[in-house]
Amino acid sequence: GQSLEQPSEVTAVEGAIVQMNCTYQTSGFYGLSWYQQHDGGAPTFLSYNALDGLEETGRFSSFLSRSDSYGYLLLQELQMKDSASYFCAVFRDDKIIFGKGTRLHILP
Amino acid sequence: EAGVVQSPRYKIIEKKQPVAFWCNPISGHNTLYWYLQNLGQGPELLIRYENEEAVDDSQLPKDRFSAERLKGVDSTLKIQPAELGDSAVYLCASSLDSGQYNEQFFGPGTRLTVL
Repeated sequence: GQSLEQPSEVTAVEGAIVQMNCTYQTSGFYGLSWYQQHDGGAPTFLSYNALDGLEETGRFSSFLSRSDSYGYLLLQELQMKDSASYFCAVFRDDKIIFGKGTRLHILP
Repeated sequence: EAGVVQSPRYKIIEKKQPVAFWCNPISGHNTLYWYLQNLGQGPELLIRYENEEAVDDSQLPKDRFSAERLKGVDSTLKIQPAELGDSAVYLCASSLDSGQYNEQFFGPGTRLTVL
């Protein structure tokens, strides 16, 4: 089987940096991806790590370490619009399996 | 370019009634997915289509759920009869294909409430 663990909630201050972690217990997956979902909205793709290491896209960075079964999403220069849920997901057997998500609260 | 279109956006029905959801994927996307999302949870795959073929329906409760994608384009997901526990958001997503990782594009979902 497979499971992905994410903290249920994280709170950070506008303008700061926040890291949201994802640990997993699965094997044989091809990569780790991250999706953002605002309340009432559709999940939208943020990043995909096929290889270990750091991927950077603007204010968002994602990291994967297969040896540690661990990944994280890093958001810099937080803005109020970043308040949302963030899901890590593994790509395996031609499908994506999502974690339960971390709800990010941003304080002004 | 239009994104993934779903209708209706909201549906309220009484238990034991049938309900159907419709999805039109992004043009040219061969792979179509139906997900169920409960409040505070991540999306859970119900069924995946490659063109008109259902290649993964292992998580679809086949006693009451059915789906079709007859011409390999738009798709319908049906529940008959609906139960109280079916209240959730039903998301449709599409991608170019699934052989190699491809970003999935999600529709806005249909929020189903079963009374």
